[in-house]
Amino acid sequence: TQLLEQSPQFLSIQEGENLTVYCNSSSVFSSLQWYRQEPGEGPVLLVTVVTGGEVKKLKRLTFQFGDARKDSSLHITAAQPGDTGLYLCAGGSQGNLIFGKGTKLSVKP
Amino acid sequence: KAGVTQTPRYLIKTRGQQVTLSCSPISGHRSVSWYQQTPGQGLQFLFEYFSETQRNKGNFPGRFSGRQFSNSRSEMNVSTLELGDSALYLCASSSPGRTSLYGYTFGSGTRLTVV
Repeated sequence: TQLLEQSPQFLSIQEGENLTVYCNSSSVFSSLQWYRQEPGEGPVLLVTVVTGGEVKKLKRLTFQFGDARKDSSLHITAAQPGDTGLYLCAGGSQGNLIFGKGTKLSVKP
Repeated sequence: KAGVTQTPRYLIKTRGQQVTLSCSPISGHRSVSWYQQTPGQGLQFLFEYFSETQRNKGNFPGRFSGRQFSNSRSEMNVSTLELGDSALYLCASSSPGRTSLYGYTFGSGTRLTVV
């Protein structure tokens, strides 16, 4: 059974700080995705990483896929209150995706 | 183009009752997946439908069922509701065979509370 473990579960930081959240598995994934979910809404896709070692940047967010395609990280530079939300990683070889339990990020002004 | 529409947004039901939730996917997306989200378990896969056929099923009891219509709209039904069924039910649409690359588009969910 493929599992995705995310850490930390909760993160509370001040505006302007940097942070990194992690997504790990013992299984190899053909791709991993990151979603952000705000309260009362469904998750929204941020990025898909496909190639081992790949790095993708989305403004202040940097996503990395591990060389062995078993893990991924999300780094946020100079966090802002608008970054607050639940960050979920997801992966799947085919068909449905499996999700990690998420990292709940709170950025205080 | 319109996003994924889920109705109703909120629902309160009594134990033992049944409930039907509806999902209209993005136009052109023929694959619809359903997930249950709870604080303790996160997002758990319920089932996936494509061309009116269930392609994949998660590890949920038979009280959870679904169907898809010819226009790709989908419904899920939960019978004999239990307190533990209280959750956010999310519908996601995608292009079949491309989920791992292009991901899901989720609806806003239906918040079900069982009392």
